[in-house]
Amino acid sequence: EAGVTQFPSHSVIEKGQTVTLRCDPISGHDNLYWYRRVMGKEIKFLLHFVKESKQDESGMPNNRFLAERTGGTYSTLKVQPAELEDSGVYFCASSQGGQVLRANEKLFFGSGTQLSVL
Amino acid sequence: AQSVTQLDSQVPVFEEAPVELRCNYSSSVSVYLFWYVQYPNQGLQLLLKYLSGSTLVKGINGFEAEFNKSQTSFHLRKPSVHISDTAEYFCAVSEYDSSASKIIFGSGTRLSIRP
Repeated sequence: EAGVTQFPSHSVIEKGQTVTLRCDPISGHDNLYWYRRVMGKEIKFLLHFVKESKQDESGMPNNRFLAERTGGTYSTLKVQPAELEDSGVYFCASSQGGQVLRANEKLFFGSGTQLSVL
Repeated sequence: AQSVTQLDSQVPVFEEAPVELRCNYSSSVSVYLFWYVQYPNQGLQLLLKYLSGSTLVKGINGFEAEFNKSQTSFHLRKPSVHISDTAEYFCAVSEYDSSASKIIFGSGTRLSIRP
């Protein structure tokens, strides 16, 4: 079974440019999460999709970030325009099940996209 | 609001020595607790979790953690570490039966094993 796949693994862009990160969850997983880790700090929640709907986007930093999950399969996270403070590792995770993360559910993580904004 | 504190950003230990990685959490409701591990160039993997029942939880690779409600702690331990345990370890919490389905992570502890 394929795991959660993220692309690209690394991205280096200049301030003001646009970057799109992609996440392919495990097939059949309704829940898809985006997290971000700024260097050395905690892994912060960004948002949660249930199928194609945004269940919780309380962690999105500002309107320069746009996440989509058309058709309830893969998801993209676009940053436009990118700023220096957007640098970090962006993780995607998926799980089966409904809207609430149940105790017996397991999150499967991708290996992340390292974003560097210069 | 929930929060997770991992006081040690780095823990160096010698091979075959015991190790304890500390985790404290804050929440106004009952929580589930997790430890995740990230090996170099890989995604996070679930090491173990506490849901209810026995406060001592055993996970993969010989790790265990103990839930202490009075101290709001969930420290991770291993009696004898191996070089292959070199990784970053994240403590995490989620609220019990909350409508907000997300896991809150700590800042991570990097475990380095010296031969």
